Amino acid sequence: GESVGLHLPTLSVQEGDNSIINCAYSNSASDYFIWYKQESGKGPQFIIDIRSNMDKRQGQRVTVLLNKTVKHLSLQIAATQPGDSAVYFCAENFGGGSNYKLTFGKGTLLTVNP
Amino acid sequence: DVKVTQSSRYLVKRTGEKVFLECVQDMDHENMFWYRQDPGLGLRLIYFSYDVKMKEKGDIPEGYSVSREKKERFSLILESASTNQTSMYLCASSLPRTGGTEAFFGQGTRLTVV
Repeated sequence: GESVGLHLPTLSVQEGDNSIINCAYSNSASDYFIWYKQESGKGPQFIIDIRSNMDKRQGQRVTVLLNKTVKHLSLQIAATQPGDSAVYFCAENFGGGSNYKLTFGKGTLLTVNP
Repeated sequence: DVKVTQSSRYLVKRTGEKVFLECVQDMDHENMFWYRQDPGLGLRLIYFSYDVKMKEKGDIPEGYSVSREKKERFSLILESASTNQTSMYLCASSLPRTGGTEAFFGQGTRLTVV
């Protein structure tokens, strides 16, 4: 869902279910996308990335889907575990003079219920 | 493993003080970044540097400056701290790869300005 005021979008799932976290990115020229996970009190950690010449990429228990037509990115987590509880950020990078600068979304809070 | 280390986890400073936030990375990365993170706003880029003594403004540079005298160290300076600079500050580093690449983050510095 959309964030309202200072509240993060939230997703609550049961342990063992699959989770899907969505992200709308802003720049149609973006050519590289990353998902980060941030646990409480820690810095963001890399999960998985995808380049714009792909529409799907799989990692261990995670899959990223890219739909360039509607500028949409999603992160799927299979068999969600309590340790997956965190805030998840998508980030986009677009080329040109600042091709090393990532722009982040506002994040989604995932809560996994045991 | 890449290690990005921020000098303090928590800082409390008074309004008007000059504040230095230090960041060191051990992977010989050319790019370094300072972000601030506020609830509901995600990560916003303050400044970044793509080489020693080089810097570029990010999205919210007002009230901040930076220094990069050595490749491994990137400092964020609040010339005269104000209460609206109370935030979580995150440092990151990355390689200058064409098409973008992941950024590695430090654990963050939570700054409170009173």
